[in-house]
Amino acid sequence: DAGVTQSPTHLIKTRGQHVTLRCSPISGHKSVSWYQQVLGQGPQFIFQYYEKEERGRGNFPDRFSAHQFPNYSSELNVNALLLGDSALYLCASSLAWGLEKEKLFFGSGTQLSVL
Amino acid sequence: AQSVAQPEDQVNVAEGNPLTVKCTYSVSGNPYLFWYVQYPNRGLQFLLKYITGDNLVKGSYGFEAEFNKSQTSFHLKKPSALVSDSALYFCAVREGQGGKLIFGQGTELSVKP
Repeated sequence: DAGVTQSPTHLIKTRGQHVTLRCSPISGHKSVSWYQQVLGQGPQFIFQYYEKEERGRGNFPDRFSAHQFPNYSSELNVNALLLGDSALYLCASSLAWGLEKEKLFFGSGTQLSVL
Repeated sequence: AQSVAQPEDQVNVAEGNPLTVKCTYSVSGNPYLFWYVQYPNRGLQFLLKYITGDNLVKGSYGFEAEFNKSQTSFHLKKPSALVSDSALYFCAVREGQGGKLIFGQGTELSVKP
Protein backbone atom coordinates (compact mmCIF):
# COMPACT_ATOMS: atom_id res chain seq x y z
CA ASP A 1 0.00 0.00 0.00
CA ALA A 2 1.20 3.50 -0.79
CA GLY A 3 1.98 5.78 2.08
CA VAL A 4 1.21 9.47 2.25
CA THR A 5 2.26 11.07 -1.01
CA GLN A 6 3.09 14.73 -1.46
CA SER A 7 3.80 16.76 -4.56
CA PRO A 8 5.91 18.40 -5.65
CA THR A 9 8.96 17.28 -3.68
CA HIS A 10 10.80 20.54 -4.24
CA LEU A 11 9.62 23.99 -5.24
CA ILE A 12 11.30 27.33 -5.76
CA LYS A 13 9.22 30.51 -5.72
CA THR A 14 9.87 34.21 -5.43
CA ARG A 15 8.48 36.61 -2.86
CA GLY A 16 4.87 37.60 -3.46
CA GLN A 17 4.00 34.53 -5.49
CA HIS A 18 1.39 31.94 -4.65
CA VAL A 19 2.01 28.22 -4.12
CA THR A 20 -0.18 25.10 -3.94
CA LEU A 21 1.06 21.94 -2.27
CA ARG A 22 -0.75 18.63 -2.68
CA CYS A 23 -1.19 15.60 -0.46
CA SER A 24 -2.79 12.20 -0.90
CA PRO A 25 -3.47 10.32 2.34
CA ILE A 26 -3.11 6.62 2.90
CA SER A 27 -6.03 4.74 1.39
CA GLY A 28 -8.86 4.60 3.91
CA HIS A 29 -7.61 7.56 5.94
CA LYS A 30 -10.08 10.41 6.22
CA SER A 31 -8.07 12.99 8.13
CA VAL A 32 -5.23 15.10 6.80
CA SER A 33 -3.00 17.50 8.72
CA TRP A 34 -0.40 19.98 7.51
CA TYR A 35 2.78 20.96 9.33
CA GLN A 36 5.55 23.45 8.60
CA GLN A 37 9.10 22.50 9.55
CA VAL A 38 11.63 25.29 9.44
CA LEU A 39 15.27 24.17 9.32
CA GLY A 40 16.51 23.31 12.79
CA GLN A 41 13.08 23.26 14.42
CA GLY A 42 10.32 20.80 15.08
CA PRO A 43 7.22 20.70 12.86
CA GLN A 44 4.54 23.27 13.62
CA PHE A 45 0.85 22.52 13.15
CA ILE A 46 -0.93 24.48 10.41
CA PHE A 47 -4.26 22.76 9.70
CA GLN A 48 -6.22 19.59 10.25
CA TYR A 49 -9.12 18.41 8.08
CA TYR A 50 -11.50 15.54 8.66
CA GLU A 51 -14.31 14.58 6.34
CA LYS A 52 -13.67 17.75 4.31
CA GLU A 53 -14.18 20.03 7.30
CA GLU A 54 -11.52 22.05 9.06
CA ARG A 55 -11.04 20.65 12.55
CA GLY A 56 -8.06 22.66 13.69
CA ARG A 57 -5.95 25.65 12.74
CA GLY A 58 -2.56 26.63 14.06
CA ASN A 59 -1.13 30.09 14.60
CA PHE A 60 -0.51 30.96 10.96
CA PRO A 61 -1.63 34.06 9.02
CA ASP A 62 -4.60 34.10 6.68
CA ARG A 63 -2.21 33.80 3.75
CA PHE A 64 -2.28 30.09 4.55
CA SER A 65 -5.39 28.15 3.54
CA ALA A 66 -6.23 24.55 2.87
CA HIS A 67 -8.92 22.35 1.45
CA GLN A 68 -9.85 18.69 1.59
CA PHE A 69 -11.51 17.08 -1.41
CA PRO A 70 -14.19 14.34 -1.52
CA ASN A 71 -11.48 11.72 -2.15
CA TYR A 72 -9.78 12.96 1.09
CA SER A 73 -6.77 14.41 -0.70
CA SER A 74 -5.78 17.89 0.34
CA GLU A 75 -4.15 21.07 -0.90
CA LEU A 76 -2.31 23.70 1.09
CA ASN A 77 -2.24 27.16 -0.44
CA VAL A 78 0.06 29.97 0.56
CA ASN A 79 -0.43 33.46 -0.89
CA ALA A 80 1.94 36.41 -1.01
CA LEU A 81 4.97 34.31 -0.18
CA LEU A 82 7.57 35.65 2.23
CA LEU A 83 11.18 34.58 2.65
CA GLY A 84 10.20 33.18 6.04
CA ASP A 85 7.81 30.73 4.40
CA SER A 86 10.81 28.71 3.22
CA ALA A 87 10.43 25.37 4.95
CA LEU A 88 9.64 21.69 4.61
CA TYR A 89 5.86 21.28 4.47
CA LEU A 90 4.70 17.97 5.81
CA CYS A 91 1.37 16.31 5.30
CA ALA A 92 0.14 13.64 7.70
CA SER A 93 -2.85 11.36 7.48
CA SER A 94 -4.80 9.39 10.04
CA LEU A 95 -7.80 7.12 9.99
CA ALA A 96 -10.20 9.49 11.72
CA TRP A 97 -10.39 12.33 14.20
CA GLY A 98 -10.58 12.19 17.95
CA LEU A 99 -9.59 8.56 18.42
CA GLU A 100 -7.56 8.06 21.57
CA LYS A 101 -5.01 5.73 20.01
CA GLU A 102 -4.73 7.64 16.74
CA LYS A 103 -1.29 8.14 15.26
CA LEU A 104 -0.16 10.23 12.33
CA PHE A 105 1.56 8.91 9.22
CA PHE A 106 3.73 11.52 7.54
CA GLY A 107 4.69 12.04 3.93
CA SER A 108 8.23 12.95 2.86
CA GLY A 109 7.27 16.59 2.50
CA THR A 110 7.56 19.41 0.00
CA GLN A 111 10.68 21.55 0.35
CA LEU A 112 9.68 25.12 -0.47
CA SER A 113 12.33 27.72 -1.09
CA VAL A 114 11.27 31.36 -1.40
CA LEU A 115 13.84 33.65 -3.02
CA ALA B 1 -1.15 24.71 26.66
CA GLN B 2 0.67 21.46 26.08
CA SER B 3 4.39 21.51 25.40
CA VAL B 4 7.42 19.25 25.25
CA ALA B 5 11.08 20.09 25.62
CA GLN B 6 14.12 18.24 24.38
CA PRO B 7 17.04 19.61 26.40
CA GLU B 8 19.80 18.24 24.16
CA ASP B 9 20.35 19.46 20.61
CA GLN B 10 22.74 16.59 19.95
CA VAL B 11 23.55 13.23 21.48
CA ASN B 12 26.69 11.30 20.55
CA VAL B 13 26.93 7.58 21.25
CA ALA B 14 29.35 4.82 20.27
CA GLU B 15 27.89 1.88 18.38
CA GLY B 16 26.85 -0.89 20.74
CA ASN B 17 26.42 1.42 23.72
CA PRO B 18 23.00 2.25 25.20
CA LEU B 19 21.42 5.50 24.13
CA THR B 20 18.98 7.89 25.76
CA VAL B 21 17.26 10.85 24.14
CA LYS B 22 15.54 13.05 26.69
CA CYS B 23 12.10 14.62 26.63
CA THR B 24 10.11 16.43 29.30
CA TYR B 25 6.50 17.46 28.99
CA SER B 26 4.03 19.94 30.36
CA VAL B 27 0.37 19.08 29.96
CA SER B 28 -2.97 19.59 31.59
CA GLY B 29 -4.74 16.30 31.98
CA ASN B 30 -3.52 12.95 30.74
CA PRO B 31 -0.55 13.15 28.40
CA TYR B 32 -0.58 11.45 25.03
CA LEU B 33 3.10 11.30 24.08
CA PHE B 34 4.89 10.24 20.92
CA TRP B 35 8.36 9.76 19.49
CA TYR B 36 9.10 10.22 15.80
CA VAL B 37 12.34 9.86 13.85
CA GLN B 38 13.36 11.83 10.78
CA TYR B 39 16.06 10.70 8.38
CA PRO B 40 17.67 13.25 6.00
CA ASN B 41 15.28 14.54 3.32
CA ARG B 42 12.50 12.35 4.64
CA GLY B 43 9.28 12.80 6.54
CA LEU B 44 8.68 11.68 10.09
CA GLN B 45 8.41 8.01 10.99
CA PHE B 46 6.43 6.88 14.02
CA LEU B 47 8.46 5.06 16.69
CA LEU B 48 6.14 4.67 19.67
CA LYS B 49 3.41 6.27 21.75
CA TYR B 50 2.22 6.41 25.32
CA ILE B 51 -1.50 6.71 25.92
CA THR B 52 -2.17 4.90 29.20
CA GLY B 53 -0.98 1.72 30.85
CA ASP B 54 2.54 0.45 31.32
CA ASN B 55 5.16 3.10 31.90
CA LEU B 56 7.62 1.27 29.64
CA VAL B 57 6.52 1.48 26.03
CA LYS B 58 8.14 -0.65 23.34
CA GLY B 59 8.30 0.61 19.79
CA SER B 60 9.84 0.09 16.39
CA TYR B 61 13.49 -0.77 15.62
CA GLY B 62 14.24 -1.85 19.19
CA PHE B 63 13.42 1.52 20.76
CA GLU B 64 11.52 1.93 23.99
CA ALA B 65 10.47 4.87 26.11
CA GLU B 66 9.89 5.26 29.81
CA PHE B 67 7.01 7.43 31.00
CA ASN B 68 7.71 9.02 34.37
CA LYS B 69 4.81 11.02 35.75
CA SER B 70 6.62 12.40 38.80
CA GLN B 71 9.46 13.74 36.68
CA THR B 72 7.18 14.62 33.73
CA SER B 73 9.58 12.85 31.41
CA PHE B 74 9.30 10.52 28.46
CA HIS B 75 12.87 9.54 27.56
CA LEU B 76 13.62 7.44 24.49
CA LYS B 77 16.02 4.54 24.99
CA LYS B 78 17.72 1.72 23.17
CA PRO B 79 19.99 -0.89 24.79
CA SER B 80 22.50 -1.08 21.94
CA ALA B 81 22.88 1.72 19.39
CA LEU B 82 23.45 1.14 15.68
CA VAL B 83 25.13 3.50 13.24
CA SER B 84 21.88 3.41 11.25
CA ASP B 85 20.06 4.94 14.25
CA SER B 86 21.75 8.25 13.43
CA ALA B 87 18.90 10.65 12.69
CA LEU B 88 16.80 13.48 14.10
CA TYR B 89 14.43 12.48 16.88
CA PHE B 90 11.31 14.37 17.89
CA CYS B 91 9.21 14.07 20.99
CA ALA B 92 5.60 15.22 20.66
CA VAL B 93 2.45 15.60 22.73
CA ARG B 94 -1.07 15.49 21.42
CA GLU B 95 -3.18 18.56 22.05
CA GLY B 96 -6.93 18.59 22.01
CA GLN B 97 -9.33 16.01 20.76
CA GLY B 98 -7.96 15.69 17.27
CA GLY B 99 -4.58 14.63 15.98
CA LYS B 100 -2.75 17.92 16.49
CA LEU B 101 0.78 17.27 17.71
CA ILE B 102 3.05 19.71 19.50
CA PHE B 103 6.66 18.83 18.72
CA GLY B 104 9.88 19.48 20.56
CA GLN B 105 12.76 21.11 18.76
CA GLY B 106 14.42 17.80 18.01
CA THR B 107 17.58 15.99 19.08
CA GLU B 108 20.18 14.92 16.56
CA LEU B 109 21.51 11.47 17.42
CA SER B 110 24.93 10.54 16.06
CA VAL B 111 26.12 6.96 16.48
CA LYS B 112 29.78 6.41 15.62
CA PRO B 113 31.33 3.02 14.79
